[in-house]
Amino acid sequence: QQQVKQSPQSLIVQKGGISIINCAYENTAFDYFPWYQQFPGKGPALLIAIRPDVSEKKEGRFTISFNKSAKQFSLHIMDSQPGDSATYFCAASKSQGGKLIFGQGTELSVKP
Amino acid sequence: DTGVSQNPRHKITKRGQNVTFRCDPISEHNRLYWYRQTLGQGPEFLTYFQNEAQLEKSRLLSDRFSAERPKGSFSTLEIQRTEQGDSAMYLCASSPRGSPNQNTEAFFGQGTRLTVV
Repeated sequence: QQQVKQSPQSLIVQKGGISIINCAYENTAFDYFPWYQQFPGKGPALLIAIRPDVSEKKEGRFTISFNKSAKQFSLHIMDSQPGDSATYFCAASKSQGGKLIFGQGTELSVKP
Repeated sequence: DTGVSQNPRHKITKRGQNVTFRCDPISEHNRLYWYRQTLGQGPEFLTYFQNEAQLEKSRLLSDRFSAERPKGSFSTLEIQRTEQGDSAMYLCASSPRGSPNQNTEAFFGQGTRLTVV
């Protein structure tokens, strides 16, 4: 019940295209769903996060869509750029405690 | 404040040796977390502190692992009798404590990469 499943494992997108990464969770007690971006040799950095009381959150080119009934959420990167090439992780946590349960990661490559 | 600082950045050790890593969180962040990340995987939770109190430990944290945060500021993670399977990136993160039922952002350090040979 602690698992967060992420797909795809890798993704290649042309510059200007839309990158879409999907995650599914099992534990209905989760109520905080962040996405992290990680470059090689660096720690993960928070990109955007959502709570289940909203179905969508947008920050610049990044949008999270959340489907509470399906227990799924996704990251959309609009107008993808080569600088977006990185590994993306979805995660989930409960209000109390705050430990993050991460997905397996998606390696995104944006081709010029 | 320059963020979460971890030292050393890299550590190569022989199997059976003990190693200790240090994490300096962002000032005034009272929550501190340790995670382990192996190649091609997401970070896995190990343990976390609220101030100096260690509030949760993962089953991943075997008897050979110990973490401390003696004054509620920096933290150390020690691995005794290292094994090749301990080779991984060890990440530290910190966050401020929010109001009840509120999550706040966790800021990660750059990690310590451990190689056990």
